[in-house]
Amino acid sequence: EAGVTQFPSHSVIEKGQTVTLRCDPISGHDNLYWYRRVMGKEIKFLLHFVKESKQDESGMPNNRFLAERTGGTYSTLKVQPAELEDSGVYFCASSQDPSSYEQYFGPGTRLTVT
Amino acid sequence: GQNIDQPTEMTATEGAIVQINCTYQTSGFNGLFWYQQHAGEAPTFLSYNVLDGLEEKGRFSSFLSRSKGYSYLLLKELQMKDSASYLCAVRDQTGGSYIPTFGRGTSLIVHP
Repeated sequence: EAGVTQFPSHSVIEKGQTVTLRCDPISGHDNLYWYRRVMGKEIKFLLHFVKESKQDESGMPNNRFLAERTGGTYSTLKVQPAELEDSGVYFCASSQDPSSYEQYFGPGTRLTVT
Repeated sequence: GQNIDQPTEMTATEGAIVQINCTYQTSGFNGLFWYQQHAGEAPTFLSYNVLDGLEEKGRFSSFLSRSKGYSYLLLKELQMKDSASYLCAVRDQTGGSYIPTFGRGTSLIVHP
């Protein structure tokens, strides 16, 4: 069974540019989560999808971040325009149901904004 | 919200035992997780505790005391491959959310 995959693994962009990160959850997992880890800090929750619906987006830092999950399969996270403080590792995770204690994480996308 | 504390870094010798502590403060405790993360890789699930006591899984064990807001991860017979970051995360059920809050992680260095 394939795990959670994320693309790209690394992205280096200039301030003001746009970047789109992609996450493919484990097949059959309705719940998809985005997290971010800024260097030196803890992993922080961004938002949670149940199928194509946003269940909880309380962690999204501002309106420069847009997450979508059309069709309830893969998800994208767009940052537009990117700022220096957006640099970090963006993780995606999926689970079968929201109360499941096990979330399966992807390897992350390392975003560097220069 | 939660406040989660764990040591930043620990070192240990191959073959030894190490205990990584985690303390937390939360109002609606709904479980504590331990994850292992090697550099550049995905965090992988190690354990989940929701009731007090010790959960053993091979070389790894996790302990929870809800009254003390305390957990530890115990690694026995350390191997070089155990060098990694160990993340403590707490889930709070306030508001019906099942989203875990992570600590900053403990970087474990195992040396020969």
